[in-house]
Parts: sequence; C-alpha cells; structure tokens
Amino acid sequence: EAQVTQNPRYLITVTGKKLTVTCSQNMNHEYMSWYRQDPGLGLRQIYYSMNVEVTDKGDVPEGYKVSRKEKRNFPLILESPSPNQTSLYFCASSSTSGPYYEQYFGPGTRLTVT
Amino acid sequence: GDSVTQMEGPVTLSEEAFLTINCTYTATGYPSLFWYVQYPGEGLQLLLKATKADDKGSNKGFEATYRKETTSFHLEKGSVQVSDSAVYFCALSPYNTDKLIFGTGTRLQVFP
Repeated sequence: EAQVTQNPRYLITVTGKKLTVTCSQNMNHEYMSWYRQDPGLGLRQIYYSMNVEVTDKGDVPEGYKVSRKEKRNFPLILESPSPNQTSLYFCASSSTSGPYYEQYFGPGTRLTVT
Repeated sequence: GDSVTQMEGPVTLSEEAFLTINCTYTATGYPSLFWYVQYPGEGLQLLLKATKADDKGSNKGFEATYRKETTSFHLEKGSVQVSDSAVYFCALSPYNTDKLIFGTGTRLQVFP
C-alpha cells in the first residue's frame, strides 16, 4: 500500500530536550515536505526537499532542522524545542514528474512542548 | 505574495443540503488550484484539482471551477452526507514551482 508514515503519532516533551520525528514514504517520490498545522493559520511549510541531499527552507523554518540522506526518509529535528513549537506536524511527499502537483500526507504527529 | 482566502467556519448543514465553501486566491501567472480534505484524526487527502482557467475539478460529488476573472475556486456539492463532515482546505501551487500554499481551512459539520 502506497503511504507516508510518521512516528511518533503523539509526543509530549519538555523545553530543550532534542527530538526527532521520522517520516518515510514508499512511493519513490522525489519531493518531501514538512508542515505544521495551527488553529486559524492552516498549514505552513517548514522545510522541503527536492531529492536526496537537497533541502530548502519553507515559510517557518526557525527552530527546525531536516536531512535527506535516503530518498524514502525525511526526518524533522527539533534540537531545542520550545512551547511555541507545540503543534500538529504533517509530512508529505509527491512526484514532481507530472503536470499536476498532488501531495500525499502522513497521518500527523501531535507534539506538545511543556 | 501568493495567498489563499477561505470562508471561516464552521459551516453547519443538514444532510442533503447544498454546500458551498468559498475560496479566493491571489497569485501571479497561472497557478494550479486544489481542494484537500482532512477527516478527523487523519492527514490531508487531495479531493480535486484544476490547472487552468475554466477547468472544473470533480470527485465524490464535489465540484470546483477555476475562475480566473474572479480569482475563485469555490467548492460545491449538491447533497451533503454526514460522512462529508471534515475540514476542507483550498490550496494553490504557483506556476512552475513546487510550492503549495494553503488557506486556513473550513470545518464542515453535517447533521442527520
């Protein structure tokens, strides 16, 4: 089954404790992206990656890091989480080869930073 | 910059009512337009899309027409069901980019 998986689905942590949210896709997609969803703000892009070893900032990259060492994986790293990073995070992937731009989303990771 | 504006929700309807969720956009050139749906506890799923003016996207009884003259992409359904209760996001992808810009989402609640 074609899918995007994220782990963990729920995470409660404390300020300053480094964490990683994993994302993996099995569709051989080149493009992967991270979003955060906040009430009244919709989805905002954090980082994206066009392919292995190619990453770039989205609209709200501060406080986050990413890496793309393998095509299928795109982890999101919070080196020193703060309460304003409490949010619902989504990973997405797509193939950029066609004229349509459809993204496939993971189930989300709800992060709470106290 | 490019942006998407959606009507605020929640939109509350009875089953079999007609649905319209308004979406307007600001963009240079000719963006592609999308509606995504998020069911409770799940990620977003593409509902329908349109890539040029006057195109009509349709899926599962939902429709939206790309109107360049009014910069709109309103979502419609003739008869909603309880199972349509979800959050609906309008989005655009600027021409020749890999970026996706979302609106704030509109929650739809359908009651029997």
